[in-house]
Amino acid sequence: DVKVTQSSRYLVKRTGEKVFLECVQDMDHENMFWYRQDPGLGLRLIYFSYDVKMKEKGDIPEGYSVSREKKERFSLILESASTNQTSMYLCASSLPGDQPQHFGDGTRLSIL
Amino acid sequence: AQSVTQLGSHVSVSEGALVLLRCNYSSSVPPYLFWYVQYPNQGLQLLLKYTSAATLVKGINGFEAEFKKSETSFHLTKPSAHMSDAAEYFCAAALTDDKIIFGKGTRLHILP
Repeated sequence: DVKVTQSSRYLVKRTGEKVFLECVQDMDHENMFWYRQDPGLGLRLIYFSYDVKMKEKGDIPEGYSVSREKKERFSLILESASTNQTSMYLCASSLPGDQPQHFGDGTRLSIL
Repeated sequence: AQSVTQLGSHVSVSEGALVLLRCNYSSSVPPYLFWYVQYPNQGLQLLLKYTSAATLVKGINGFEAEFKKSETSFHLTKPSAHMSDAAEYFCAAALTDDKIIFGKGTRLHILP
């Protein structure tokens, strides 16, 4: 079974802090994705990556950056956290093509 | 525009009754379709996927979905609801650039 592991289930940070959310997958998937999930808005794509050291902006990249130094690890960075970034963050990975994505359990991030 | 639409943000059924969750996709979306389930405070789990091998797709936990091209629909059904089916369900479609577009989700409530 594919395992996507997100480093924290719950995280509380303060406004202005730099925040790192880590995601690791163990199935050698090329593609990795970061979403945020908010009530009534569904899943919105922040960034994605098709390979090591490459990244593509999703629908809502503002205020975020990513890093993919190794194939199995995809990090989401909040450069200067703001209260409107309080949300559930979901990481996913997939093989290329019309393949389903496999999700981690999510990180519920609160910015105070 | 490419879109996936789920009818009804909340659906309530009695335990033992038929579950029907509706999903329609825009005709511009390639017909690679999925249903995911999300239990509270967890990530998304793949229920089933349509791969064009058969129009009726069986998934986990007794769910199935029927692909109807003429209606651009991919509704999810289960003959008899169980309390453990209470969750949020997402219909999704794979796009040509390896991304997935999600519906807004339907929260299923099971009444005792």
